[in-house]
Amino acid sequence: DTGVSQNPRHKITKRGQNVTFRCDPISEHNRLYWYRQTLGQGPEFLTYFQNEAQLEKSRLLSDRFSAERPKGSFSTLEIQRTEQGDSAMYLCASSLSNSYEQYFGPGTRLTVT
Amino acid sequence: TQLLEQSPQFLSIQEGENLTVYCNSSSVFSSLQWYRQEPGEGPVLLVTVVTGGEVKKLKRLTFQFGDARKDSSLHITAAQPGDTGLYLCAGSSYNNNDMRFGAGTRLTVKP
Repeated sequence: DTGVSQNPRHKITKRGQNVTFRCDPISEHNRLYWYRQTLGQGPEFLTYFQNEAQLEKSRLLSDRFSAERPKGSFSTLEIQRTEQGDSAMYLCASSLSNSYEQYFGPGTRLTVT
Repeated sequence: TQLLEQSPQFLSIQEGENLTVYCNSSSVFSSLQWYRQEPGEGPVLLVTVVTGGEVKKLKRLTFQFGDARKDSSLHITAAQPGDTGLYLCAGSSYNNNDMRFGAGTRLTVKP
Protein backbone atom coordinates (compact mmCIF):
# COMPACT_ATOMS: atom_id res chain seq x y z
CA ASP A 1 0.00 0.00 0.00
CA THR A 2 1.58 3.30 -1.08
CA GLY A 3 -0.91 5.63 0.60
CA VAL A 4 -0.33 7.97 3.51
CA SER A 5 0.44 6.12 6.74
CA GLN A 6 0.30 7.37 10.32
CA ASN A 7 1.59 5.92 13.55
CA PRO A 8 0.42 5.19 16.11
CA ARG A 9 -3.26 4.76 15.23
CA HIS A 10 -4.30 5.30 18.83
CA LYS A 11 -2.57 6.98 21.75
CA ILE A 12 -3.81 7.31 25.32
CA THR A 13 -1.78 9.57 27.56
CA LYS A 14 -2.07 11.30 30.86
CA ARG A 15 -2.43 15.06 31.09
CA GLY A 16 0.96 16.74 31.16
CA GLN A 17 2.79 14.09 29.16
CA ASN A 18 4.41 14.68 25.79
CA VAL A 19 3.34 12.74 22.70
CA THR A 20 4.75 12.42 19.19
CA PHE A 21 2.98 11.25 16.07
CA ARG A 22 4.51 10.25 12.76
CA CYS A 23 3.22 10.65 9.21
CA ASP A 24 4.68 9.03 6.10
CA PRO A 25 3.27 10.72 2.97
CA ILE A 26 2.87 9.31 -0.51
CA SER A 27 6.45 9.08 -1.70
CA GLU A 28 6.35 11.54 -4.61
CA HIS A 29 4.28 14.14 -2.76
CA ASN A 30 6.27 17.20 -1.70
CA ARG A 31 3.50 18.83 0.36
CA LEU A 32 2.45 17.50 3.75
CA TYR A 33 -0.37 18.79 5.91
CA TRP A 34 -1.49 18.26 9.49
CA TYR A 35 -5.12 18.63 10.58
CA ARG A 36 -7.04 18.11 13.79
CA GLN A 37 -10.58 16.76 13.87
CA THR A 38 -12.88 16.73 16.88
CA LEU A 39 -16.18 14.92 17.19
CA GLY A 40 -18.87 16.33 14.95
CA GLN A 41 -16.53 18.66 13.09
CA GLY A 42 -14.60 18.59 9.88
CA PRO A 43 -10.80 18.59 9.91
CA GLU A 44 -9.16 21.88 10.94
CA PHE A 45 -5.90 22.93 9.32
CA LEU A 46 -2.87 23.06 11.63
CA THR A 47 0.21 23.41 9.45
CA TYR A 48 1.81 22.41 6.18
CA PHE A 49 5.23 21.72 4.69
CA GLN A 50 6.61 22.16 1.22
CA ASN A 51 9.46 19.65 1.21
CA GLU A 52 11.28 20.31 4.52
CA ALA A 53 10.10 23.91 4.91
CA GLN A 54 7.17 24.65 7.22
CA LEU A 55 5.37 27.36 5.27
CA GLU A 56 2.20 28.02 7.20
CA LYS A 57 0.89 27.51 10.72
CA SER A 58 -2.64 28.01 11.97
CA ARG A 59 -3.31 30.02 15.10
CA LEU A 60 -4.74 26.74 16.41
CA LEU A 61 -1.15 25.52 16.67
CA SER A 62 -0.20 26.69 20.16
CA ASP A 63 3.34 26.88 21.49
CA ARG A 64 2.95 23.37 22.87
CA PHE A 65 2.68 21.99 19.34
CA SER A 66 5.65 21.54 17.05
CA ALA A 67 5.94 19.85 13.69
CA GLU A 68 9.00 18.85 11.72
CA ARG A 69 9.81 17.35 8.37
CA PRO A 70 13.60 17.22 8.53
CA LYS A 71 14.37 15.44 5.26
CA GLY A 72 11.29 16.39 3.32
CA SER A 73 9.86 12.91 3.63
CA PHE A 74 8.16 11.82 6.86
CA SER A 75 6.89 14.33 9.41
CA THR A 76 6.40 14.32 13.15
CA LEU A 77 3.92 16.28 15.24
CA GLU A 78 4.79 16.68 18.91
CA ILE A 79 2.45 17.93 21.61
CA GLN A 80 4.10 18.93 24.86
CA ARG A 81 2.33 19.04 28.24
CA THR A 82 -0.85 17.57 26.82
CA GLU A 83 -4.21 18.88 27.99
CA GLN A 84 -7.61 17.21 27.87
CA GLY A 85 -8.63 19.64 25.15
CA ASP A 86 -5.96 18.13 22.91
CA SER A 87 -8.01 14.94 22.64
CA ALA A 88 -8.87 14.61 18.95
CA MET A 89 -8.07 12.78 15.74
CA TYR A 90 -4.85 14.08 14.20
CA LEU A 91 -4.84 13.66 10.44
CA CYS A 92 -1.99 13.93 7.99
CA ALA A 93 -2.43 14.52 4.27
CA SER A 94 -0.08 14.88 1.34
CA SER A 95 -0.25 16.31 -2.15
CA LEU A 96 1.79 17.38 -5.11
CA SER A 97 2.58 21.09 -5.04
CA ASN A 98 0.65 21.77 -8.25
CA SER A 99 -2.47 19.86 -7.19
CA TYR A 100 -5.59 20.78 -5.25
CA GLU A 101 -6.05 17.18 -4.17
CA GLN A 102 -4.91 16.08 -0.74
CA TYR A 103 -4.79 12.44 0.27
CA PHE A 104 -5.30 11.61 3.90
CA GLY A 105 -3.85 9.01 6.20
CA PRO A 106 -5.97 6.99 8.65
CA GLY A 107 -5.25 9.40 11.50
CA THR A 108 -3.98 9.10 15.06
CA ARG A 109 -6.68 9.15 17.73
CA LEU A 110 -5.32 10.90 20.84
CA THR A 111 -7.06 10.58 24.19
CA VAL A 112 -5.75 12.65 27.09
CA THR A 113 -6.96 11.44 30.48
CA THR B 1 -17.44 29.39 12.71
CA GLN B 2 -17.40 27.08 9.70
CA LEU B 3 -16.42 28.79 6.48
CA LEU B 4 -18.32 26.09 4.63
CA GLU B 5 -21.85 25.24 5.75
CA GLN B 6 -23.08 21.75 4.98
CA SER B 7 -26.70 20.66 5.07
CA PRO B 8 -28.36 18.64 6.26
CA GLN B 9 -26.18 17.76 9.22
CA PHE B 10 -27.75 14.29 9.48
CA LEU B 11 -29.66 12.26 6.90
CA SER B 12 -31.18 8.80 7.34
CA ILE B 13 -32.82 7.15 4.34
CA GLN B 14 -33.85 3.74 3.05
CA GLU B 15 -31.85 1.81 0.48
CA GLY B 16 -32.87 2.80 -3.04
CA GLU B 17 -33.82 6.39 -2.25
CA ASN B 18 -32.17 9.42 -3.83
CA LEU B 19 -30.62 12.26 -1.84
CA THR B 20 -28.84 15.57 -2.22
CA VAL B 21 -26.50 17.22 0.25
CA TYR B 22 -25.30 20.78 0.03
CA CYS B 23 -22.17 22.77 0.71
CA ASN B 24 -22.48 26.57 0.84
CA SER B 25 -20.16 29.46 1.51
CA SER B 26 -19.96 33.21 1.11
CA SER B 27 -16.39 32.79 -0.15
CA VAL B 28 -15.20 32.01 -3.64
CA PHE B 29 -13.00 28.95 -3.97
CA SER B 30 -10.49 28.01 -6.62
CA SER B 31 -11.50 24.39 -6.18
CA LEU B 32 -13.77 22.28 -4.05
CA GLN B 33 -13.30 18.70 -2.95
CA TRP B 34 -15.75 16.12 -1.63
CA TYR B 35 -14.55 13.45 0.75
CA ARG B 36 -16.21 10.50 2.49
CA GLN B 37 -15.04 9.50 5.93
CA GLU B 38 -15.87 6.37 7.90
CA PRO B 39 -15.57 6.16 11.70
CA GLY B 40 -11.98 5.93 12.89
CA GLU B 41 -10.54 6.51 9.43
CA GLY B 42 -9.22 9.45 7.44
CA PRO B 43 -11.28 11.17 4.71
CA VAL B 44 -11.16 9.55 1.28
CA LEU B 45 -11.19 11.88 -1.72
CA LEU B 46 -14.20 11.40 -4.01
CA VAL B 47 -13.91 14.26 -6.49
CA THR B 48 -12.40 17.67 -7.19
CA VAL B 49 -14.30 20.39 -9.05
CA VAL B 50 -12.54 23.50 -10.30
CA THR B 51 -14.73 25.18 -12.93
CA GLY B 52 -17.89 27.16 -12.08
CA GLY B 53 -20.94 25.22 -13.25
CA GLU B 54 -18.95 22.01 -13.55
CA VAL B 55 -20.79 18.70 -13.16
CA LYS B 56 -18.93 15.46 -12.49
CA LYS B 57 -20.40 11.99 -12.26
CA LEU B 58 -18.90 9.09 -10.38
CA LYS B 59 -21.19 6.07 -10.86
CA ARG B 60 -24.28 6.90 -8.78
CA LEU B 61 -22.78 10.14 -7.41
CA THR B 62 -23.21 13.48 -9.19
CA PHE B 63 -21.25 16.51 -8.04
CA GLN B 64 -21.97 20.07 -9.08
CA PHE B 65 -19.93 23.24 -8.53
CA GLY B 66 -21.97 26.45 -8.46
CA ASP B 67 -21.53 29.02 -11.21
CA ALA B 68 -20.11 31.52 -8.70
CA ARG B 69 -17.79 28.88 -7.19
CA LYS B 70 -19.25 29.44 -3.72
CA ASP B 71 -21.37 26.32 -3.38
CA SER B 72 -21.60 22.70 -4.38
CA SER B 73 -23.98 19.78 -4.18
CA LEU B 74 -23.67 16.02 -4.11
CA HIS B 75 -26.54 13.91 -5.40
CA ILE B 76 -26.66 10.17 -4.81
CA THR B 77 -29.02 8.03 -6.86
CA ALA B 78 -30.41 4.74 -5.52
CA ALA B 79 -28.45 4.92 -2.26
CA GLN B 80 -26.96 1.72 -0.88
CA PRO B 81 -25.91 0.82 2.68
CA GLY B 82 -22.29 1.05 1.51
CA ASP B 83 -22.83 4.79 0.94
CA THR B 84 -23.17 5.29 4.70
CA GLY B 85 -20.57 7.69 6.05
CA LEU B 86 -19.65 11.30 6.74
CA TYR B 87 -19.57 13.40 3.57
CA LEU B 88 -17.24 16.38 3.83
CA CYS B 89 -16.76 19.25 1.43
CA ALA B 90 -13.54 21.24 1.46
CA GLY B 91 -12.67 24.43 -0.37
CA SER B 92 -9.26 25.60 -1.46
CA SER B 93 -8.41 29.27 -1.75
CA TYR B 94 -6.38 30.70 -4.57
CA ASN B 95 -3.14 30.40 -2.63
CA ASN B 96 -3.80 26.64 -2.50
CA ASN B 97 -2.36 26.25 0.98
CA ASP B 98 -5.31 26.41 3.30
CA MET B 99 -8.11 23.92 2.64
CA ARG B 100 -11.17 24.58 4.78
CA PHE B 101 -13.65 21.84 5.60
CA GLY B 102 -17.34 21.90 6.38
CA ALA B 103 -18.64 20.01 9.40
CA GLY B 104 -20.02 17.29 7.16
CA THR B 105 -23.30 15.50 6.47
CA ARG B 106 -23.64 12.17 8.26
CA LEU B 107 -25.54 9.82 5.96
CA THR B 108 -27.09 6.55 7.05
CA VAL B 109 -28.60 4.26 4.44
CA LYS B 110 -30.75 1.55 5.95
CA PRO B 111 -31.14 -1.80 4.16
